[in-house]
Amino acid sequence: GENVGLHLPTLSVQEGDNSIINCAYSNSASDYFIWYKQESGKGPQFIIDIRSNMDKRQGQRVTVLLNKTVKHLSLQIAATQPGDSAVYFCAENPYNAGNNRKLIWGLGTSLAVNP
Amino acid sequence: KAGVTQTPRYLIKTRGQQVTLSCSPISGHRSVSWYQQTPGQGLQFLFEYFSETQRNKGNFPGRFSGRQFSNSRSEMNVSTLELGDSALYLCASSTGTGSGYTFGSGTRLTVV
Repeated sequence: GENVGLHLPTLSVQEGDNSIINCAYSNSASDYFIWYKQESGKGPQFIIDIRSNMDKRQGQRVTVLLNKTVKHLSLQIAATQPGDSAVYFCAENPYNAGNNRKLIWGLGTSLAVNP
Repeated sequence: KAGVTQTPRYLIKTRGQQVTLSCSPISGHRSVSWYQQTPGQGLQFLFEYFSETQRNKGNFPGRFSGRQFSNSRSEMNVSTLELGDSALYLCASSTGTGSGYTFGSGTRLTVV
């Protein structure tokens, strides 16, 4: 399954399928990007990050792809499991001089995994 | 090591009252950022404190304020509460170098 956009959409996939969650970021000066997962009643949990000098980074069952040309970020989850059901947020961190930074967040995508 | 601790977990207040929320960051982290999360607006940045100084601020009215203590624990205060302040308030702890943010479980504030 695949979804696009910053408004909170819902992506529904079958257990075992691969999921692709997309995010369009806004600031061409952003040099650091993070994906977070938020389960109901909990705070966001770090999944994976990527710096702008890379276009792909892999973790355990997750891969983040970065396309700076079109300012697009995607999170791929392999073999999606029921425990992956959550809201997924992308965040960008625009470069400023020094360490004076703040994350800019997308509105999130709700992933529902059907058993 | 212990995670980020936010207290209280739940809070119900009346319009016009004020409220103070607390966040204890991960040991060694000097930066604490606060966010407001609502279904309609998503995660909105409130402010960031680093070494007891506010170094970043979002677009919230002056009713929202914060501070950080020498042990890096942070508090945020909301005065003259409005119904629209009902939200999940999250804090994120980091070393302050622009990466590695760890969130607490949040404080669910309901204003009635």
